[in-house]
Amino acid sequence: GENVEQHPSTLSVQEGDSAVIKCTYSDSASNYFPWYKQELGKRPQLIIDIRSNVGEKKDQRIAVTLNKTAKHFSLHITETQPEDSAVYFCAASIGTGNQFYFGTGTSLTVIP
Amino acid sequence: DVKVTQSSRYLVKRTGEKVFLECVQDMDHENMFWYRQDPGLGLRLIYFSYDVKMKEKGDIPEGYSVSREKKERFSLILESASTNQTSMYLCASSGTRGADTQYFGPGTRLTVL
Repeated sequence: GENVEQHPSTLSVQEGDSAVIKCTYSDSASNYFPWYKQELGKRPQLIIDIRSNVGEKKDQRIAVTLNKTAKHFSLHITETQPEDSAVYFCAASIGTGNQFYFGTGTSLTVIP
Repeated sequence: DVKVTQSSRYLVKRTGEKVFLECVQDMDHENMFWYRQDPGLGLRLIYFSYDVKMKEKGDIPEGYSVSREKKERFSLILESASTNQTSMYLCASSGTRGADTQYFGPGTRLTVL
């Protein structure tokens, strides 16, 4: 089956700096890549997603890039703010059956 | 706005007890999922369901079973709870059989003593 690896497991940045989280996947049939943010004690919430027919997608300070050849995708957060502090999960889906394969998460801390 | 609810936020049970965790979604979603979340291991899929009375094993189904008698409701059952099943359990739902966003419930923190 699909295997998703996520790095780093922890990340600390100064407020205003950028943060980058990277994920790799193993199955070239994967075609949907969501990113979730989970604040402490809360449910994971979708923040951005990308499909395999697109190389990049942006939403204000958040962007995701996808390299299908290398089988990796990344989350970029610019101008980080303390409220960006959370655990971020990437996932890959082959589409058939809609099963998601999650990375192990990145704990992001934004230092004021 | 999608709403996924879970029957309990916190649950404490004893070893050997039968435990029921219930999830309800109000968006007429076909797909429903049960995950457990443990530090450093991310979200691991236990079981999922495409439709009423249908179920598929995920990556870690051992020690669990599920029931989906109604489209909006998906139950996770621990037949005989063990201490290694102490975890956060998250339910999710999604709308189609193709690639589509999953929406999560608030989670149930289960402690097995």
